[in-house]
Amino acid sequence: GAVVSQHPSRVICKSGTSVKIECRSLDFQATTMFWYRQFPKQSLMLMATSNEGSKATYEQGVEKDKFLINHASLTLSTLTVTSAHPEDSSFYICSARDYTSGGSGELFFGEGSRLTVL
Amino acid sequence: EDKVVQSPLSLVVHEGDTVTLNCSYEVTNFRSLLWYKQEKKAPTFLFMLTSSGIEKKSGRLSSILDKKELFSILNITATQTGDSAIYLCAVVAGYGGSQGNLIFGKGTKLSVKP
Repeated sequence: GAVVSQHPSRVICKSGTSVKIECRSLDFQATTMFWYRQFPKQSLMLMATSNEGSKATYEQGVEKDKFLINHASLTLSTLTVTSAHPEDSSFYICSARDYTSGGSGELFFGEGSRLTVL
Repeated sequence: EDKVVQSPLSLVVHEGDTVTLNCSYEVTNFRSLLWYKQEKKAPTFLFMLTSSGIEKKSGRLSSILDKKELFSILNITATQTGDSAIYLCAVVAGYGGSQGNLIFGKGTKLSVKP
């Protein structure tokens, strides 16, 4: 089945630095990818929709200058947390939909990236 | 405002028990409802439901959708410790072309004790 790969799976950084997380669709092209954030014991919160070749669509309350999203190709979207602070520590998950499977349910998730900001 | 509500938020059972997880929704332009299982990392897909009254089954798991009453249930029979996880319900809604908007519930944390 379709696979979405996310990297790194875990990252620890100092406050004030920037961190980039990559999301790749390995065997299908994804014109749209989604970025989620998950706090401990909470559900997934959609942060933004990443559109290949155009600007990302951010959900209300998500700072676009803080969470930079780039979707430069049909198989790669990146999320950069700029000037990270401890409150940005969280589990970030990407997902992508495989058009070839049809329907709206086949949404494949990456493995997730746990960010810890010291 | 679109919303998806899951209940209970947490559940503790013993191996062999049968559990029913609930998901109700209020959304504009419902398109489909999905169930996911999340253990340590990203969610894994279980079921997609689009039509009322048609039960989907996979081993000990089954799910059904009621579009009139706006809810779905996920049943797990003869539970095992490996079923311990957070079960997420999500609804695809809206008018976003073929993509739609995925709205997650808060999840039900299931703990199965030996």
